[in-house]
Amino acid sequence: EAQVTQNPRYLITVTGKKLTVTCSQNMNHEYMSWYRQDPGLGLRQIYYSMNVEVTDKGDVPEGYKVSRKEKRNFPLILESPSPNQTSLYFCASSSWTSGRTYEQYFGPGTRLTVT
Amino acid sequence: DAKTTQPPSMDCAEGRAANLPCNHSTISGNEYVYWYRQIHSQGPQYIIHGLKNNETNEMASLIITEDRKSSTLILPHATLRDTAVYYCIVRVAEDNNDMRFGAGTRLTVKP
Repeated sequence: EAQVTQNPRYLITVTGKKLTVTCSQNMNHEYMSWYRQDPGLGLRQIYYSMNVEVTDKGDVPEGYKVSRKEKRNFPLILESPSPNQTSLYFCASSSWTSGRTYEQYFGPGTRLTVT
Repeated sequence: DAKTTQPPSMDCAEGRAANLPCNHSTISGNEYVYWYRQIHSQGPQYIIHGLKNNETNEMASLIITEDRKSSTLILPHATLRDTAVYYCIVRVAEDNNDMRFGAGTRLTVKP
């Protein structure tokens, strides 16, 4: 089954404790992206990656890091989480065909709480 | 990306067609219209997209006006499981960046 998986699905942590949220897709997609969703603010892009070893900032990259060492994986790293990073996080992937993306496939989400 | 305007909420009776409007009066010639939906707090789900012509797939139909300034997503026989927030997005397909999800329309399908 074609899918995007995220782990963990739920995480409660404390300020400053480094964490990683994993994202993996099995569709051989070139394009992957991370979003956060907050009430009243909709989905906002954090980082995206066009392909292996190619990443770029989205609208709200501060406090986050990403890496793309393999095509299928795109982990989101919070080096020193703060309470304002409490949010619902989504990973997404898309095929990049002839320089175009069409539909994005989203993961189930990771609900992060930083106390 | 062009801005879109959607009604904040709509109701629909189960089994009836749900027609969700979207205005995108400043759309550019190379921008596509995309529809996604989000059920509760699940990941958004792609529904359909189109450029000029009307499109239909197993989930829905997309009707785009001739001047492309508005569109309508049609769910032909709405079920309770179609209750969700529906997002209309316009963007160029060559855009590297995000789908800019606005507030969307909260569709409630009632029995």
